[in-house]
Amino acid sequence: AQSVAQPEDQVNVAEGNPLTVKCTYSVSGNPYLFWYVQYPNRGLQFLLKYITGDNLVKGSYGFEAEFNKSQTSFHLKKPSALVSDSALYFCAVRRRRWGFQKLVFGTGTRLLVSP
Amino acid sequence: KAGVTQTPRYLIKTRGQQVTLSCSPISGHRSVSWYQQTPGQGLQFLFEYFSETQRNKGNFPGRFSGRQFSNSRSEMNVSTLELGDSALYLCASSGTFDRGVHEQYFGPGTRLTVT
Repeated sequence: AQSVAQPEDQVNVAEGNPLTVKCTYSVSGNPYLFWYVQYPNRGLQFLLKYITGDNLVKGSYGFEAEFNKSQTSFHLKKPSALVSDSALYFCAVRRRRWGFQKLVFGTGTRLLVSP
Repeated sequence: KAGVTQTPRYLIKTRGQQVTLSCSPISGHRSVSWYQQTPGQGLQFLFEYFSETQRNKGNFPGRFSGRQFSNSRSEMNVSTLELGDSALYLCASSGTFDRGVHEQYFGPGTRLTVT
């Protein structure tokens, strides 16, 4: 069975500084990996995905993530944080197999960007 | 293109009652998934429908059920409500069936409170 670990409940960073939100995964075979963001009282918004190819994936709002197969990680990064980036971030994994494979989410990491 | 819509947005029910939640996917999307989000358990997968057929099911009791109509709209039903069913219920739609590469687009959720 697949699983996702987000080891940090909260990440604090000052505006303008780089940010990293960590994610490691466990899945049999190769994964599809996703990052979503959730603002208060809202659903999840898709940020980016890794399917295949280049290990560095660029997504919405200046976010990017690096797929590292040997470390089974998919950390979310942004070179310069904004206060408006403060939200709850979820990493998710799906098995790379034919047919319907459910999306499994991590527990989420709250990002707090201070002015 | 309109996003995923969910109705109602908020609901208060008492123990023992039943509830039906509705989800309209993005136009053209045929896959609809449902998730339960709680502070303690995070995002838990309920079920996924494609072309009116349940393709995948999470580990929830039989009190939780769903269906999908020919126009891809979906409903989920929870019977004999328990206090622990209080949660944000999220619906997500995705594009055509393939090897699972498509990201899911989430609605704003229905906040269910059971008293």
